[in-house]
Amino acid sequence: AQTVTQSQPEMSVQEAETVTLSCTYDTSESDYYLFWYKQPPSRQMILVIRQEAYKQQNATENRFSVNFQKAAKSFSLKISDSQLGDAAMYFCAYVPMDSNYQLIWGAGTKLIIKP
Amino acid sequence: NAGVMQNPRHLVRRRGQEARLRCSPMKGHSHVYWYRQLPEEGLKFMVYLQKENIIDESGMPKERFSAEFPKEGPSILRIQQVVRGDSAAYFCASSPSLTGRREGYTFGSGTRLTVV
Repeated sequence: AQTVTQSQPEMSVQEAETVTLSCTYDTSESDYYLFWYKQPPSRQMILVIRQEAYKQQNATENRFSVNFQKAAKSFSLKISDSQLGDAAMYFCAYVPMDSNYQLIWGAGTKLIIKP
Repeated sequence: NAGVMQNPRHLVRRRGQEARLRCSPMKGHSHVYWYRQLPEEGLKFMVYLQKENIIDESGMPKERFSAEFPKEGPSILRIQQVVRGDSAAYFCASSPSLTGRREGYTFGSGTRLTVV
């Protein structure tokens, strides 16, 4: 079965510092997509960053970057220069490239930003 | 582009009543997906629809739950005879095609259903 695991229920970081959120997944597929979504108190699910498994280069979006380790099935999110607006639940999600479209989600990590 | 619109944002129903949740996809999107989020959990897939067709409802409970996406109008997720366990946030996502899984689906803000 395909699963996504986020082992950190909660993380806190000082404003302007860097924080890394971990995500591991289990799959027998070789081609798939991985995503990080942010869910602020407004409940809107916002796409932060995505990674295609066949690309070795780690994805980057401004202050957000990932460390994608395909062999280890690890997909961590690094947030640099943390801002108060980054406070939210962060979810890691997976979807295989072929035949399926159902996103498989982790349980989420609550990120707290300390001013 | 107004994005994916869901309403109502909050819905309170007594046990045994019916709940109707609406989702208007982004303009130009013909694929709609419904997910359910229980407290302290990630989202769980419920159903995938295209206009006038249910493509995959494997994640939806067999009883009391139904979904439709008519030719005109929003997609509707309907829950009959609600029970306390149906209390959750229900999210709708849309995509222009199956490429959504590559680009990352666009989600609405969800409907929080509370059954009292």
